[in-house]
Amino acid sequence: DTAVSQTPKYLVTQMGNDKSIKCEQNLGHDTMYWYKQDSKKFLKIMFSYNNKELIINETVPNRFSPKSPDKAHLNLHINSLELGDSAVYFCASSQEVNTDTQYFGPGTRLTVL
Amino acid sequence: GENVEQHPSTLSVQEGDSAVIKCTYSDSASNYFPWYKQELGKRPQLIIDIRSNVGEKKDQRIAVTLNKTAKHFSLHITETQPEDSAVYFCAASKGGATNKLIFGTGTLLAVQP
Repeated sequence: DTAVSQTPKYLVTQMGNDKSIKCEQNLGHDTMYWYKQDSKKFLKIMFSYNNKELIINETVPNRFSPKSPDKAHLNLHINSLELGDSAVYFCASSQEVNTDTQYFGPGTRLTVL
Repeated sequence: GENVEQHPSTLSVQEGDSAVIKCTYSDSASNYFPWYKQELGKRPQLIIDIRSNVGEKKDQRIAVTLNKTAKHFSLHITETQPEDSAVYFCAASKGGATNKLIFGTGTLLAVQP
Protein backbone atom coordinates (compact mmCIF):
# COMPACT_ATOMS: atom_id res chain seq x y z
CA ASP A 1 0.00 0.00 0.00
CA THR A 2 1.24 3.50 -0.81
CA ALA A 3 2.23 5.29 2.40
CA VAL A 4 2.31 8.89 1.11
CA SER A 5 0.58 9.65 -2.16
CA GLN A 6 0.36 12.84 -4.21
CA THR A 7 -1.72 13.87 -7.19
CA PRO A 8 -1.10 14.80 -9.86
CA LYS A 9 2.34 13.43 -10.69
CA TYR A 10 2.83 15.96 -13.48
CA LEU A 11 1.29 19.41 -13.85
CA VAL A 12 1.89 21.66 -16.86
CA THR A 13 0.16 25.02 -16.84
CA GLN A 14 0.36 28.60 -18.04
CA MET A 15 1.63 31.56 -16.04
CA GLY A 16 -1.10 33.22 -14.04
CA ASN A 17 -3.19 30.08 -13.55
CA ASP A 18 -4.21 28.63 -10.18
CA LYS A 19 -3.49 24.97 -9.41
CA SER A 20 -3.70 22.52 -6.52
CA ILE A 21 -1.66 19.50 -5.47
CA LYS A 22 -3.15 16.93 -3.13
CA CYS A 23 -1.35 14.78 -0.58
CA GLU A 24 -2.55 11.91 1.57
CA GLN A 25 -0.75 9.67 4.06
CA ASN A 26 -2.06 6.42 5.50
CA LEU A 27 0.66 6.03 8.14
CA GLY A 28 -1.31 7.63 10.96
CA HIS A 29 1.33 10.35 11.32
CA ASP A 30 0.64 13.62 13.09
CA THR A 31 2.96 15.81 11.02
CA MET A 32 2.97 16.62 7.32
CA TYR A 33 5.25 18.79 5.22
CA TRP A 34 5.60 20.39 1.82
CA TYR A 35 9.05 20.66 0.24
CA LYS A 36 10.18 22.31 -2.97
CA GLN A 37 13.02 20.76 -4.98
CA ASP A 38 14.41 23.06 -7.64
CA SER A 39 16.36 22.22 -10.77
CA LYS A 40 19.61 22.06 -8.78
CA LYS A 41 18.04 19.42 -6.52
CA PHE A 42 17.97 21.68 -3.44
CA LEU A 43 15.31 20.43 -1.02
CA LYS A 44 13.71 23.27 0.89
CA ILE A 45 10.93 23.14 3.46
CA MET A 46 7.90 25.25 2.63
CA PHE A 47 5.34 24.35 5.29
CA SER A 48 4.82 21.90 8.09
CA TYR A 49 1.59 20.99 9.86
CA ASN A 50 1.11 19.15 13.12
CA ASN A 51 -2.34 17.84 13.97
CA LYS A 52 -3.83 20.02 11.22
CA GLU A 53 -2.19 23.19 12.55
CA LEU A 54 0.42 25.19 10.66
CA ILE A 55 3.68 25.24 12.60
CA ILE A 56 6.21 26.31 9.98
CA ASN A 57 5.72 28.75 7.13
CA GLU A 58 9.12 29.21 5.58
CA THR A 59 8.70 32.71 4.09
CA VAL A 60 6.80 31.30 1.17
CA PRO A 61 4.88 33.85 -0.95
CA ASN A 62 1.25 34.07 0.08
CA ARG A 63 0.30 32.82 -3.38
CA PHE A 64 0.96 29.42 -1.81
CA SER A 65 -1.77 28.31 0.58
CA PRO A 66 -1.65 24.94 2.29
CA LYS A 67 -4.78 23.37 3.71
CA SER A 68 -5.09 20.43 6.04
CA PRO A 69 -8.68 19.19 6.26
CA ASP A 70 -7.57 16.36 8.56
CA LYS A 71 -4.35 14.79 9.83
CA ALA A 72 -4.08 12.49 6.83
CA HIS A 73 -4.30 15.19 4.16
CA LEU A 74 -2.27 18.26 3.31
CA ASN A 75 -3.08 20.02 0.08
CA LEU A 76 -1.21 22.86 -1.59
CA HIS A 77 -2.97 25.53 -3.60
CA ILE A 78 -0.94 27.94 -5.71
CA ASN A 79 -2.42 31.14 -7.12
CA SER A 80 -1.13 33.21 -10.02
CA LEU A 81 1.59 30.75 -11.00
CA GLU A 82 4.96 32.20 -12.03
CA LEU A 83 7.80 30.73 -14.08
CA GLY A 84 9.92 30.44 -10.93
CA ASP A 85 7.37 28.11 -9.38
CA SER A 86 8.48 25.36 -11.75
CA ALA A 87 9.96 22.62 -9.56
CA VAL A 88 9.19 19.24 -8.04
CA TYR A 89 6.99 19.52 -4.96
CA PHE A 90 7.22 16.76 -2.37
CA CYS A 91 4.80 16.07 0.39
CA ALA A 92 6.12 14.18 3.42
CA SER A 93 4.91 12.95 6.79
CA SER A 94 6.42 11.86 10.09
CA GLN A 95 5.21 10.84 13.51
CA GLU A 96 7.35 13.29 15.44
CA VAL A 97 8.17 16.79 14.25
CA ASN A 98 11.61 17.14 12.67
CA THR A 99 13.40 14.41 14.64
CA ASP A 100 11.89 11.35 13.05
CA THR A 101 11.92 9.58 9.70
CA GLN A 102 10.13 11.62 7.09
CA TYR A 103 8.30 9.59 4.45
CA PHE A 104 8.11 11.38 1.15
CA GLY A 105 5.45 11.20 -1.50
CA PRO A 106 6.39 10.51 -5.14
CA GLY A 107 6.54 14.21 -5.98
CA THR A 108 4.62 16.47 -8.35
CA ARG A 109 6.59 17.96 -11.21
CA LEU A 110 5.13 21.40 -11.87
CA THR A 111 6.03 23.15 -15.11
CA VAL A 112 4.87 26.72 -15.62
CA LEU A 113 5.01 27.92 -19.23
CA GLY B 1 19.79 30.28 11.13
CA GLU B 2 20.94 26.69 10.76
CA ASN B 3 23.07 25.95 7.74
CA VAL B 4 24.24 22.55 6.47
CA GLU B 5 27.14 22.29 4.04
CA GLN B 6 27.73 19.08 2.12
CA HIS B 7 30.79 17.90 0.16
CA PRO B 8 31.55 16.77 -2.43
CA SER B 9 28.78 17.75 -4.81
CA THR B 10 29.70 14.85 -7.10
CA LEU B 11 31.57 11.64 -6.38
CA SER B 12 32.55 8.91 -8.79
CA VAL B 13 33.90 5.60 -7.50
CA GLN B 14 34.59 2.17 -8.90
CA GLU B 15 32.32 -0.67 -7.89
CA GLY B 16 33.62 -2.22 -4.69
CA ASP B 17 35.36 0.93 -3.49
CA SER B 18 34.24 2.99 -0.51
CA ALA B 19 32.49 6.35 -0.70
CA VAL B 20 32.51 9.07 1.93
CA ILE B 21 30.25 12.13 2.00
CA LYS B 22 30.80 14.85 4.57
CA CYS B 23 28.53 17.45 6.11
CA THR B 24 29.00 20.28 8.55
CA TYR B 25 26.29 22.07 10.46
CA SER B 26 26.27 25.48 12.07
CA ASP B 27 23.87 25.18 15.03
CA SER B 28 25.46 23.37 17.97
CA ALA B 29 21.95 22.64 19.33
CA SER B 30 21.26 20.28 16.41
CA ASN B 31 20.63 16.78 17.69
CA TYR B 32 19.22 14.74 14.81
CA PHE B 33 21.12 13.93 11.61
CA PRO B 34 19.41 11.82 8.93
CA TRP B 35 20.71 10.81 5.52
CA TYR B 36 18.38 10.45 2.56
CA LYS B 37 18.98 8.72 -0.78
CA GLN B 38 17.18 9.94 -3.88
CA GLU B 39 17.39 7.84 -7.03
CA LEU B 40 16.80 9.56 -10.35
CA GLY B 41 13.16 10.58 -10.69
CA LYS B 42 12.23 9.07 -7.34
CA ARG B 43 11.41 10.32 -3.88
CA PRO B 44 14.01 10.84 -1.12
CA GLN B 45 14.16 7.89 1.27
CA LEU B 46 15.82 7.67 4.66
CA ILE B 47 18.79 5.29 4.69
CA ILE B 48 20.26 5.95 8.12
CA ASP B 49 20.10 8.52 10.90
CA ILE B 50 22.06 9.35 14.02
CA ARG B 51 21.25 11.31 17.16
CA SER B 52 23.63 13.47 19.13
CA ASN B 53 24.04 11.00 21.98
CA VAL B 54 25.75 8.52 19.64
CA GLY B 55 29.08 8.84 17.82
CA GLU B 56 28.66 6.14 15.19
CA LYS B 57 25.94 3.95 13.74
CA LYS B 58 26.19 1.13 11.22
CA ASP B 59 23.69 -0.70 9.07
CA GLN B 60 25.30 -3.32 6.84
CA ARG B 61 27.39 -1.43 4.25
CA ILE B 62 26.36 2.00 5.48
CA ALA B 63 27.73 3.86 8.49
CA VAL B 64 27.38 7.38 9.81
CA THR B 65 29.79 9.12 12.18
CA LEU B 66 29.17 12.25 14.19
CA ASN B 67 31.71 14.64 15.68
CA LYS B 68 29.73 17.08 17.83
CA THR B 69 32.76 19.13 18.78
CA ALA B 70 33.64 19.85 15.18
CA LYS B 71 29.98 19.86 14.08
CA HIS B 72 30.74 17.31 11.36
CA PHE B 73 28.95 14.16 10.34
CA SER B 74 29.78 11.76 7.53
CA LEU B 75 28.21 8.96 5.54
CA HIS B 76 30.40 5.97 4.70
CA ILE B 77 29.36 3.39 2.09
CA THR B 78 31.59 0.34 1.76
CA GLU B 79 31.73 -2.16 -1.10
CA THR B 80 29.76 0.17 -3.35
CA GLN B 81 27.45 -1.31 -5.96
CA PRO B 82 25.92 0.26 -9.08
CA GLU B 83 22.54 0.44 -7.31
CA ASP B 84 24.12 2.81 -4.77
CA SER B 85 24.24 5.44 -7.55
CA ALA B 86 21.92 8.27 -6.48
CA VAL B 87 21.87 11.72 -4.90
CA TYR B 88 22.53 11.61 -1.16
CA PHE B 89 21.33 14.35 1.17
CA CYS B 90 22.43 14.97 4.71
CA ALA B 91 20.19 16.95 7.05
CA ALA B 92 20.20 18.38 10.55
CA SER B 93 17.56 19.41 13.04
CA LYS B 94 17.45 20.52 16.64
CA GLY B 95 13.97 19.18 17.15
CA GLY B 96 11.03 21.06 18.53
CA ALA B 97 7.85 21.85 16.69
CA THR B 98 8.98 25.12 15.17
CA ASN B 99 12.44 24.03 14.07
CA LYS B 100 13.10 22.80 10.58
CA LEU B 101 14.97 19.86 9.13
CA ILE B 102 17.67 21.58 7.07
CA PHE B 103 19.01 19.64 4.10
CA GLY B 104 22.47 19.79 2.62
CA THR B 105 22.90 20.52 -1.07
CA GLY B 106 23.23 16.89 -2.10
CA THR B 107 25.99 14.64 -3.45
CA LEU B 108 25.59 12.84 -6.75
CA LEU B 109 27.27 9.46 -6.30
CA ALA B 110 28.09 7.49 -9.42
CA VAL B 111 29.33 3.94 -8.97
CA GLN B 112 31.10 2.74 -12.11
CA PRO B 113 30.75 -1.00 -12.80
